[in-house]
Amino acid sequence: KNQVEQSPQSLIILEGKNCTLQCNYTVSPFSNLRWYKQDTGRGPVSLTIMTFSENTKSNGRYTATLDADTKQSSLHITASQLSDSASYICVVSDRGSTLGRLYFGRGTQLTVWP
Amino acid sequence: EADIYQTPRYLVIGTGKKITLECSQTMGHDKMYWYQQDPGMELHLIHYSYGVNSTEKGDLSSESTVSRIRTEHFPLTLESARPSHTSQYLCASSESDKLYGYTFGSGTRLTVV
Repeated sequence: KNQVEQSPQSLIILEGKNCTLQCNYTVSPFSNLRWYKQDTGRGPVSLTIMTFSENTKSNGRYTATLDADTKQSSLHITASQLSDSASYICVVSDRGSTLGRLYFGRGTQLTVWP
Repeated sequence: EADIYQTPRYLVIGTGKKITLECSQTMGHDKMYWYQQDPGMELHLIHYSYGVNSTEKGDLSSESTVSRIRTEHFPLTLESARPSHTSQYLCASSESDKLYGYTFGSGTRLTVV
């Protein structure tokens, strides 16, 4: 069964600190992995997209890494800000599907305290 | 700035009422999707469409129905709302064969009392 598992489920950090969120997946065949940020009551917003050949992708203070061999990804947030408080969702797409099917993790709920 | 719009943002409605959740996108995307999301849980695909007059059911069984009469419009209808339908409904769209550009709307938070 194709799955996407994220850890930790929730995380509290102080403003200015760094943090790393984890994503493990079993989706096969693999096409791409996306990280989304979802503010409470809003739709997910794309942060990064990585294909099989990409190991790392940055978007400002967000850096995602991908190890396609171990089927693991991480999202590193540098110098956290209060506005980083949100749910971060890992999404994996399988290859060979005309739909470009997406498999969603349950997200890591990040809270940044002042 | 989001180019996919959902209305209403919040809706509280009584059991048995018929409701339609609106979703429109201005990007000309051929594919559109409806997801259901409960708090702390992953998104579940309930309906999708490849294009005009094309609609399919997703992974999660849903009593809702959808239509795709125009490319830009993909409304979701519940003929008789029940408390079990209380959830967040997210609409999304994408362009065929494009890796980027999978865009979500802001969602509709539905509460059935």
